[in-house]
Amino acid sequence: EPEVTQTPSHQVTQMGQEVILRCVPISNHLYFYWYRQILGQKVEFLVSFYNNEISEKSEIFDDQFSVERPDGSNFTLKIRSTKLEDSAMYFCASSLKRGGQPQHFGDGTRLSIL
Amino acid sequence: GQQVMQIPQYQHVQEGEDFTTYCNSSTTLSNIQWYKQRPGGHPVFLIQLVKSGEVKKQKRLTFQFGEAKKNSSLHITATQTTDVGTYFCAVTSGTYKYIFGTGTRLKVLA
Repeated sequence: EPEVTQTPSHQVTQMGQEVILRCVPISNHLYFYWYRQILGQKVEFLVSFYNNEISEKSEIFDDQFSVERPDGSNFTLKIRSTKLEDSAMYFCASSLKRGGQPQHFGDGTRLSIL
Repeated sequence: GQQVMQIPQYQHVQEGEDFTTYCNSSTTLSNIQWYKQRPGGHPVFLIQLVKSGEVKKQKRLTFQFGEAKKNSSLHITATQTTDVGTYFCAVTSGTYKYIFGTGTRLKVLA
């Protein structure tokens, strides 16, 4: 069964550095998402992306964050000038259609900011 | 903003007992999804409910959407150790944004 893949599985970075989290969505899916989950807490929506542009973003997704689909397969989340509170699990998800469709999640990237 | 609360936050049950988690929204919903997240894992889609009063079953799991489309429940009959995890409801806010509930963490004692 096709799956969403994320790399790296764990990223350790010094505070203030930039990180790029990578995702390869399911190949025929058109809608892409990034979520964040702080340990033991709920899954928080960051951003959705369709047709090479951001569809919606949450209050969390400020100027520190950006997303890109640099080629036909990858979907990236860039976090500039990382802060301690950015430490979390970041999940990428994709869906075939919009709104109210099953989302398929990757295994996540655990981001640790030191 | 839209709030999605789940109760209880935690539930410990003996294997074989039933379990129910409830999801409540502050606004009327167009649909609701349920996900399961195993410890250390990622959310896995279980089901989507769309119609008022809808009831769907998946083996020992029964999902219900409230008549007013502001709440939903997930009931597991005769829990097994494989049911361990956190169960989240998720609702769409607008067209492209999903809001996850606070989650219910289920522990099953053998």
